[in-house]
Amino acid sequence: EADIYQTPRYLVIGTGKKITLECSQTMGHDKMYWYQQDPGMELHLIHYSYGVNSTEKGDLSSESTVSRIRTEHFPLTLESARPSHTSQYLCASTGTSYGYTFGSGTRLTVV
Amino acid sequence: RKEVEQDPGPFNVPEGATVAFNCTYSNSASQSFFWYRQDCRKEPKLLMSVYSSGNEDGRFTAQLNRASQYISLLIRDSKLSDSATYLCVVFSGGYQKVTFGTGTKLQVIP
Repeated sequence: EADIYQTPRYLVIGTGKKITLECSQTMGHDKMYWYQQDPGMELHLIHYSYGVNSTEKGDLSSESTVSRIRTEHFPLTLESARPSHTSQYLCASTGTSYGYTFGSGTRLTVV
Repeated sequence: RKEVEQDPGPFNVPEGATVAFNCTYSNSASQSFFWYRQDCRKEPKLLMSVYSSGNEDGRFTAQLNRASQYISLLIRDSKLSDSATYLCVVFSGGYQKVTFGTGTKLQVIP
């Protein structure tokens, strides 16, 4: 049973559309993260948050934005999707000491 | 130099073989270490923690060598189902900073 949920699982959308990828966790974790990963490639951190009203950009520059209004919710928004945004987006969270839990990911295709 | 480095592989091994991966890290103050497994087009999942004293879970053994700054994963009696990418993960800065290795791909061959 997953404790971190991402929706949608798959999304195909046209260029220029605004999209929001949802991520919610029920573990009460303060720290949440968004990663971007292309098939067969490494994970790239694009955003993270250490708590409510805290958001930071990650190592990989991204045109997306995030918000953290509630502890359990960490949505990612693309104001105007482009084909270069096609990728898998993975959300993760962690508590004080034990590892990472990932969501199942959103596979985004922009046509 | 990357903070966490892994040999990307692929490691192609026959069923039943023993295979070992290493992962080196550059931050001597790193605090916690983990191995994750990622199947193709799936999310990474925690495989096991890594302790200085060693950690064994069935066919899998993880080890930490702080002096040489590397962690290792040993898989004995490889199964076809072990085929995946194995990621090492390093926590530092009071769990504020998490660094993933690029992963080592394992392919177990019948």
